[in-house]
Amino acid sequence: DAKTTQPPSMDCAEGRAANLPCNHSTISGNEYVYWYRQIHSQGPQYIIHGLKNNETNEMASLIITEDRKSSTLILPHATLRDTAVYYCIVCSSNDYKLSFGAGTTVTVRA
Amino acid sequence: EPEVTQTPSHQVTQMGQEVILRCVPISNHLYFYWYRQILGQKVEFLVSFYNNEISEKSEIFDDQFSVERPDGSNFTLKIRSTKLEDSAMYFCASSEALASTDTQYFGPGTRLTVL
Repeated sequence: DAKTTQPPSMDCAEGRAANLPCNHSTISGNEYVYWYRQIHSQGPQYIIHGLKNNETNEMASLIITEDRKSSTLILPHATLRDTAVYYCIVCSSNDYKLSFGAGTTVTVRA
Repeated sequence: EPEVTQTPSHQVTQMGQEVILRCVPISNHLYFYWYRQILGQKVEFLVSFYNNEISEKSEIFDDQFSVERPDGSNFTLKIRSTKLEDSAMYFCASSEALASTDTQYFGPGTRLTVL
């Protein structure tokens, strides 16, 4: 039972912003939106998370719509090293686990 | 920056053998997890562990699997009698608090190959 929907793949030009969409139309009030990425077969790497407000850290920005049914991860200046699979995960306050979907394969091209 | 470490990076074993995968979580973390990823497939949750007991486990985590925190630093996953289908990357993760309220940090993984 997928809680999120992401495009399977997207390309991005090096140096440009990458905007990764995620649909989570069934999200409930106590559920957070998490973003992780996985470079090749390495361990998933935390990027950012939020509940309802937009968030920014040194890696990315997270924009959550007012109705919380979708969000966008923004990588402000994509580099070749940002090529990875990006996962949008919805996680409730009672969850002991992260449920990974197929994610979006992002390819940054020079 | 503190990180989760895992050993070995690659383990090759014969079907039916027991394997123990080791993890050293981040030192002040209280919640520990194992996930696996079969080649080309999604990352799947196996088990979470808190206060020396299993908090939650998936259907994959059957009687062949066990977890232990044998001392104050290590967290292990044991597969009692390995099967071919256990071949996968196994990731350990840890967090200070529950998944929703605190970030899970993942280790680099152990590639398990069952022959």
